[in-house]
Amino acid sequence: AQSVTQPDIHITVSEGASLELRCNYSYGATPYLFWYVQSPGQGLQLLLKYFSGDTLVQGIKGFEAEFKRSQSSFNLRKPSVHWSDAAEYFCAFGGYQKVTFGTGTKLQVIP
Amino acid sequence: DAMVIQNPRYQVTQFGKPVTLSCSQTLNHNVMYWYQQKSSQAPKLLFHYYDKDFNNEADTPDNFQSRRPNTSFCFLDIRSPGLGDAAMYLCATSRQTGTNEKLFFGSGTQLSVL
Repeated sequence: AQSVTQPDIHITVSEGASLELRCNYSYGATPYLFWYVQSPGQGLQLLLKYFSGDTLVQGIKGFEAEFKRSQSSFNLRKPSVHWSDAAEYFCAFGGYQKVTFGTGTKLQVIP
Repeated sequence: DAMVIQNPRYQVTQFGKPVTLSCSQTLNHNVMYWYQQKSSQAPKLLFHYYDKDFNNEADTPDNFQSRRPNTSFCFLDIRSPGLGDAAMYLCATSRQTGTNEKLFFGSGTQLSVL
């Protein structure tokens, strides 16, 4: 069975601080991995994706993610968070036949 | 700009009263999806169309149906909404069906059932 877990439901960071959102997956092979962001009242937007090759992936809005096969993880990072980054972040992976989403992590940014 | 458009943004219906949600796309993508997203839960795939081919997820209730009359439009029909069907419904598209494809989402329709 394929599954993806985001252990943190809610995270609060100060503006300018660094950010790491966790994502773990369970799958028998290397999946296609994605991070999507959902701003309030909006649909999901793709931040970045990993298929193969370099395990450190750069995305839009200054985000990056690192694929670690040994840990079955694909954590999202940003060196310095902006207030406009407040949103909900979904990890997802493409396995057999469909894309599976995690339950999301809500990011709050405080001044 | 090419995009995925969902109407209405908010929909209120009564228990048991049929309701239809609509989605249109200007991306000319082959695949259109409907997801159900409840509060604090992951988006759940209900079904998708590859062109005119309909693909239903095994656990999608019979109460949910879909129509895709042409490439641009796709509809979600809920025949007899129950209280448990109150959720955000997201429409998405992709060029092809591979699970490595980028998904393009609309802003969603928030459905309330009274």
